[in-house]
Amino acid sequence: AQRVTQPEKLLSVFKGAPVELKCNYSYSGSPELFWYVQYSRQRLQLLLRHISRESIKGFTADLNKGETSFHLKKPFAQEEDSAMYYCALSGNAGGTSYGKLTFGQGTILTVHP
Amino acid sequence: DTAVSQTPKYLVTQMGNDKSIKCEQNLGHDTMYWYKQDSKKFLKIMFSYNNKELIINETVPNRFSPKSPDKAHLNLHINSLELGDSAVYFCASSQFLSTYEQYFGPGTRLTVT
Repeated sequence: AQRVTQPEKLLSVFKGAPVELKCNYSYSGSPELFWYVQYSRQRLQLLLRHISRESIKGFTADLNKGETSFHLKKPFAQEEDSAMYYCALSGNAGGTSYGKLTFGQGTILTVHP
Repeated sequence: DTAVSQTPKYLVTQMGNDKSIKCEQNLGHDTMYWYKQDSKKFLKIMFSYNNKELIINETVPNRFSPKSPDKAHLNLHINSLELGDSAVYFCASSQFLSTYEQYFGPGTRLTVT
């Protein structure tokens, strides 16, 4: 079974402060991990995926297989980063998990001025 | 130029009624999905279709029946609505079943009274 845990429902930081949104996963195979974001009054959209190893809008996330984590980080938060962030896992072992995205519970990030 | 659209945006109905939510994508994608987001913002997959074929069918009551008349449409029909069906329902699509970037619709907020 695949499972994603985001332990923080709410996270508040001040502008310019570092931010880290935690994500832990459980999956027996080799997973693909993603971060999706939903800004206010916008639809859910992909922010980044571990396989591309990109930095998007200053955010990075490193897959740590030893700790089964995929935390999202940004060194200097901006007010426009305020949004709901979902960590998601896709199993690629085939069978019923193929093509299935499992989402965490989501973290609402608020960046104060 | 909307990529994934859903109708209606809001749906208020009484227990026991039957209702449908429509989803259309103009991205030329092969795969479409339905997700349910509950009151705690937890996002869970319900169904996925690939080229009109049902691929993922999570543990969803059989009162929920997806229908895909063609690759660009995936409708969700719900019979005998219950209070617990109140949620936001999101449609999404991806280019292929094995491509995990999913494009989401704006959501349909269903309220059962």
